[in-house]
Order: sequence, then C-alpha cells, then structure tokens
Amino acid sequence: GAGVSQTPSNKVTEKGKYVELRCDPISGHTALYWYRQSLGQGPEFLIYFQGTGAADDSGLPNDRFFAVRPEGSVSTLKIQRTERGDSAVYLCASSFAESTDTQYFGPGTRLTVL
Amino acid sequence: GENVEQHPSTLSVQEGDSAVIKCTYSDSASNYFPWYKQELGKRPQLIIDIRSNVGEKKDQRIAVTLNKTAKHFSLHITETQPEDSAVYFCAAKVAGFQKLVFGTGTRLLVSP
Repeated sequence: GAGVSQTPSNKVTEKGKYVELRCDPISGHTALYWYRQSLGQGPEFLIYFQGTGAADDSGLPNDRFFAVRPEGSVSTLKIQRTERGDSAVYLCASSFAESTDTQYFGPGTRLTVL
Repeated sequence: GENVEQHPSTLSVQEGDSAVIKCTYSDSASNYFPWYKQELGKRPQLIIDIRSNVGEKKDQRIAVTLNKTAKHFSLHITETQPEDSAVYFCAAKVAGFQKLVFGTGTRLLVSP
C-alpha cells in the first residue's frame, strides 16, 4: 500500500514568511509524528499526535511552530515568521497505534529559508 | 531526557567485510531500539529493531545486539555489499513516551 506522503517535496521561502507543510500518513495509522532533520544530523522530534490531539509537543522549538490534525488523518505543520535557522528537512512518520513502536517515515519536505 | 550517542561517524569497508555500528543510550527506561537506513535525499527506512526483552535479533545479513546493563546496542552487517552504502541511524524510545531519540548517524561506505 501507499506509504507516508509529504507535500511539497521542496519549499523555498523568504525570511519572515509563513509556510505550511503537509503530511498524509499511512491509511489506518492513528499515531503521527513530526521530526526535523538538519544537515548531517539525526531526526529530532517535534510533535506527536494520537488521533486529532497533540499528545506531546515538547519538541516544538518555540511558538512560531504549530501543527494540527483536525480529522485524525492529514496533518499540517505551520511555521510563522520563518527564520534562516528553520531551514531543514521536515519529516513526518506514522504508526498503526499508540501502542505500536514501529514508525514509518515519509520522504520529507526540504525547507529553505533565504 | 534520553540521549543517544553513535559511533563511528564514518565507516569504510571493502565489499564482503563486516561492519559494526555502536550506540549508547542514557535512560534505563528505554525499551525499543530501531535502526534506520537513509540513502541520500531519501526517507529513513527501518531495517531492524529490538525490544528490551530480547538480547539479539537477526534478519539475514543484519543483526542487532542489546546490552541493557551497559546501555548499549549495536548493528552488525555481514557480507557487506555496495548497496549497503548509506547513513545508518540508531534510535531509542523511552517507555511511556512515543518519540524516538536518534543518534547522529554513521556514514557507511562499501567499496567494491
């Protein structure tokens, strides 16, 4: 079946602009995760959803970052007033249920803030 | 919070040799340890994982070992092939939490 998908694959924006990144999890997966991967580093956790609610947002770096999952499927990561330091690959992952450990990753969105 | 360290950062081997990548974790409550392979510009792909109630797991040429006392786990790849070349990440998950904490990655290069 289809894996996790993310759009856009690449996003170039200017400092101070607002961006939205979309994630479509594997069908039937109730848990969804956002990670950020800087060049040469491992993914860093941002936020986790179980269903529609954000169960753990401890990884969001500041209040410019926000994520939603209104219907318990697709999720959108929103970044306000982007800064050059926000440039990274934003990865989404999903798992079948909260009790399931295995996380399947999407291809990521490469965000470049000029 | 949990911290995962990974070594080496780069590893070059000849085709057919074995490769070993090691990770240590800090939180003794961690109970799930996956390994991901990431090719350039691609998504991380799970290649093997192990849970804390098991000491070793094998899948063809890949094996993972876990030492809970020492809080370290290792990935072993035997009979390496050029297509094994990629960046490998270890990760750990603390019981009761859902997030994965990743190591900094090992770039494996297998030369023909």
